[in-house]
Amino acid sequence: AIRMTQSPSSFSASTGDRVTITCRASQGISSYLAWYQQKPGKAPKLLIYAASTLQSGVPSRFSGSGSGTDFTLTISCLQSEDFATYYCQQYYSYPLTFGQGTKLEIK
Amino acid sequence: QVQLQESGPGLVKPSETLSLTCAVSGYSISSGYYWGWIRQPPGKGLEWIGSIYHSGSTYYNPSLKSRVTISVDTSKNQFSLKLSSVTAADTAVYYCARGFAAAGRIYFDYWGQGTLVTVSS
Repeated sequence: AIRMTQSPSSFSASTGDRVTITCRASQGISSYLAWYQQKPGKAPKLLIYAASTLQSGVPSRFSGSGSGTDFTLTISCLQSEDFATYYCQQYYSYPLTFGQGTKLEIK
Repeated sequence: QVQLQESGPGLVKPSETLSLTCAVSGYSISSGYYWGWIRQPPGKGLEWIGSIYHSGSTYYNPSLKSRVTISVDTSKNQFSLKLSSVTAADTAVYYCARGFAAAGRIYFDYWGQGTLVTVSS
């Protein structure tokens, strides 16, 4: 199975900050990577697929980049509603696997 | 608007079979897409359980494959999960989701709200 490792596991930031979350795959996955946002008690919400394509309705302050093994999710200007846990998921091969999550907290 | 809703018992005894159903509205399962189950133990991350294509082809996580069955009922526009011989380690929130396939590779664009299943005697 392809292992997905996110960093950091958690961190604190302030509204208006620019933040970047990293996801690394244990082997190359081309651009078959998705990012999800999950708030407490809620289902994950798809933000980005194909590493950099924004899902319809997702604010443009979210962006993704990378290919192969290294990927990033960037939030350009944090809003209060962005404090949540973020997961990456590879869909290059089965079994589908997720990163362990990055919890973004208010500083 | 595609909506998914999980249903099933919230409490299952150890060694028994967990059974959940996902009702889909706003889209006909028989029209296409993959349909999947993902779970999340309390306070932990996401684990893919398996997916089924509308035609019935299934893909399971090898870590659970011997205990999992996913089926689809197009007449009721729903799909189901059965997980046998459960233990406390199977306690989790179970999500159903629609899988969007890119060259047969799946990410999940619509999710149900999730249902907590506790395994306990």
